[in-house]
Amino acid sequence: AQRVTQPEKLLSVFKGAPVELKCNYSYSGSPELFWYVQYSRQRLQLLLRHISRESIKGFTADLNKGETSFHLKKPFAQEEDSAMYYCALNTDKLIFGTGTRLQVFP
Amino acid sequence: NAGVMQNPRHLVRRRGQEARLRCSPMKGHSHVYWYRQLPEEGLKFMVYLQKENIIDESGMPKERFSAEFPKEGPSILRIQQVVRGDSAAYFCASSPLASGSSYNEQFFGPGTRLTVL
Repeated sequence: AQRVTQPEKLLSVFKGAPVELKCNYSYSGSPELFWYVQYSRQRLQLLLRHISRESIKGFTADLNKGETSFHLKKPFAQEEDSAMYYCALNTDKLIFGTGTRLQVFP
Repeated sequence: NAGVMQNPRHLVRRRGQEARLRCSPMKGHSHVYWYRQLPEEGLKFMVYLQKENIIDESGMPKERFSAEFPKEGPSILRIQQVVRGDSAAYFCASSPLASGSSYNEQFFGPGTRLTVL
């Protein structure tokens, strides 16, 4: 079955602390994974994709096929990082996880 | 480019009425997707359309729901005889490439929040 799991509904950290938002997937083929972000009162937007191996706004995510994971990490969280984060698997459609709300306190 | 447009942003219907949700894709995009987000859940794929064609409707409920993307005009998601369980946020996305293509980014609209009384 094709599935994306984000085990944490809410993650709260203080500014400057490291952040890791967990994402695990289930897919028999070669996965293509994304992280989408939704800031307050804004639309869902692409944050990064594993193919590009890029760092956006200080966030990185590494695909670990052995652990079937694509965790999103940032070494030092900022208040403006507070948002909903969705992990998504691209098959013939996008399959989303349930999302994790990141709260960064000052 | 104004981005993906959806209207209305909020829609209230009584049980048994019809709901029509509209989505105008980004300029140059011919691929449209509809997703539903129930409270406390992630976005669930409903349907994928190209101009005048339904490509994948595997996520659409078998009854009361239909979608179209005509040659001219926006894509329409239509829900007939709405029930309380249809209350959700409905998101539309568009992309320049076909679904499943590598490097294919979907651009999302702001969503329509449907409330069924």
